[in-house]
Amino acid sequence: GNSVTQMEGPVTLSEEAFLTINCTYTATGYPSLFWYVQYPGEGLQLLLKATKADDKGSNKGFEATYRKETTSFHLEKGSVQVSDSAVYFCALTSPKAAGNKLTFGGGTRVLVKP
Amino acid sequence: DVKVTQSSRYLVKRTGEKVFLECVQDMDHENMFWYRQDPGLGLRLIYFSYDVKMKEKGDIPEGYSVSREKKERFSLILESASTNQTSMYLCASIGGESGANVLTFGAGSRLTVL
Repeated sequence: GNSVTQMEGPVTLSEEAFLTINCTYTATGYPSLFWYVQYPGEGLQLLLKATKADDKGSNKGFEATYRKETTSFHLEKGSVQVSDSAVYFCALTSPKAAGNKLTFGGGTRVLVKP
Repeated sequence: DVKVTQSSRYLVKRTGEKVFLECVQDMDHENMFWYRQDPGLGLRLIYFSYDVKMKEKGDIPEGYSVSREKKERFSLILESASTNQTSMYLCASIGGESGANVLTFGAGSRLTVL
């Protein structure tokens, strides 16, 4: 079945540091890949997505590239801010998934200090 | 914007009580989901529904049931709450302009079972 593995946190950074959160996946077929973010006290919201190999998703300074050869979708941001403190979830859905359901990784908590 | 509303943000219940968690979405989405979120485990799918009165088991349905009598409303039911059901419960629906695979989440319902 489908699975998503992402690095465990917490990840603690200083403001303006470079952030990478690793995500690898196992899936049948050609999945779509997502990063969701959960700010404190809120539900999850879509950060970015990529639907085919070599696609790059980007939003709010974050980027992730769909690498089929390494089955990875690592999230990066060049200069983090305190407001980026949140929990980040990597997720996928495969074309044959019933009801378009998503499979999530365990989440990575990121804390950015001033 | 799609809005997914979970009626209760915080609940405290006793072991053996029947618990209802309500979720309403306002954008006529076909598919709705209930996840539970636990530290280190990410989001795990409990049940989903792709139409009124239709439901499918997710990865961890034991101890839960659901009801979808109207398209906009998807309820999660704990017939007899147990302490291991203490968790954050997230409702989501899928659809919208961004593409069929983008989930929109509610803010979550944090349940404590004593």
